[in-house]
Amino acid sequence: EAQVTQNPRYLITVTGKKLTVTCSQNMNHEYMSWYRQDPGLGLRQIYYSMNVEVTDKGDVPEGYKVSRKEKRNFPLILESPSPNQTSLYFCASSLGYPIGTQYFGPGTRLLVL
Amino acid sequence: AQSVTQLDSQVPVFEEAPVELRCNYSSSVSVYLFWYVQYPNQGLQLLLKYLSGSTLVESINGFEAEFNKSQTSFHLRKPSVHISDTAEYFCAVSEGDSSYKLIFGSGTRLLVRP
Repeated sequence: EAQVTQNPRYLITVTGKKLTVTCSQNMNHEYMSWYRQDPGLGLRQIYYSMNVEVTDKGDVPEGYKVSRKEKRNFPLILESPSPNQTSLYFCASSLGYPIGTQYFGPGTRLLVL
Repeated sequence: AQSVTQLDSQVPVFEEAPVELRCNYSSSVSVYLFWYVQYPNQGLQLLLKYLSGSTLVESINGFEAEFNKSQTSFHLRKPSVHISDTAEYFCAVSEGDSSYKLIFGSGTRLLVRP
């Protein structure tokens, strides 16, 4: 089954404790992206990757890091989480242009205390 | 800068009534337009898209949207809604073939009542 998986689905952590949210897709997609969803703000792009070892900032990259060492994986790293990073996070992938035809993961709900 | 506006944060409607969810965008170049749907506690799913050609596009579950370039709009419509259509709907825009960014609106929650 074609899918995008994320782990963990739920996470409670404390300020400053480094964490990683994993994302994996089995569709051989070149493009992958991370979004955060906050009430009233819709989805905002954090980082995206056009292919292996090629990443770029989205609209809200502060406080986040990503890497793309393999085509299927695109982890999101919070080096020092803060309460304002409490949010619902989605990973998505796309075969290529147009990048709007994206497949989304189930989401990771993060609470930073 | 590119932006997407969904004016209605919530739209309550009775079952079998028609509905329109509004979406306006701002862009100085050609765009691709999308509607995504998010059912409770799930990720987003692509509902329909406009890339080129006919300005009226349809989904398999009865929704349709019309691209209006002069009004920079891409409103979503359904002539008769079901309880199962209750979800949040997001309009999204990407700027043609040169953009790696997808810009989302703030979403409209469609609440279908019996």
